[in-house]
Amino acid sequence: QSALTQPASVSGSPGQSITISCTGSTTDIATYDYVSWYQHHPGKAPKVILYDVKTRPSGVSDRFSGSKSGNTASLTISGLQAEDDAYYFCSSYTTLMTLVFGGGTKLTVL
Amino acid sequence: QLQLQESGPGLVKPSETLSLNCTVSGDSISNSFYWGWVRQPPGKGLEWIGSTNGGSSSYNPSLKSRVTMSLDISKNQFSLKLTSVTVADTSTYYCARHHWRVVDPLDVWGQGTLVTVSS
Repeated sequence: QSALTQPASVSGSPGQSITISCTGSTTDIATYDYVSWYQHHPGKAPKVILYDVKTRPSGVSDRFSGSKSGNTASLTISGLQAEDDAYYFCSSYTTLMTLVFGGGTKLTVL
Repeated sequence: QLQLQESGPGLVKPSETLSLNCTVSGDSISNSFYWGWVRQPPGKGLEWIGSTNGGSSSYNPSLKSRVTMSLDISKNQFSLKLTSVTVADTSTYYCARHHWRVVDPLDVWGQGTLVTVSS
């Protein structure tokens, strides 16, 4: 299985909105709505911020939102804050009954 | 509050077996949740290794021939064994719990443990 494709980096200023894409294939994102997004600050445990494409776990800010079209899922963060500066990884369930992650995107809040 | 903690050798020689444990506190691992392992090579992205609930396991196809996962209910731990390791297996290894099934998100993670493969 191939890793999902994410941009290596994105950046934005405080208060702005950014979108991170996650491109898969017919064997994962296009087939299932089991897409999750994780926020990872180096040295800490990753944290799930969205699952099932657009569902936020309890306690996650509504500034994080998700969507999907075809084989591409997207994470949008609105009202950027300094603490959003982190790595973001997408993942998807696959037709092989496995999980696959994206390569990760470094978000820099300028 | 559920907490996970990885433990095991930080250095493994090439061709040997990497063995890690994940100790679960705050809940019993016998409650049918799936438990998983994820790794991150230095400077690279996350890679799912596999998940198990003790009775059923699913592994990354690229690692399947070398991976075994199991649960030790008496110790409230689950474990990872990766055989015939090479330098490419050098990574930070995380244990995590699925919200329920493998399709569900990994909602609780350990802090991770760095394993270096070197002679």
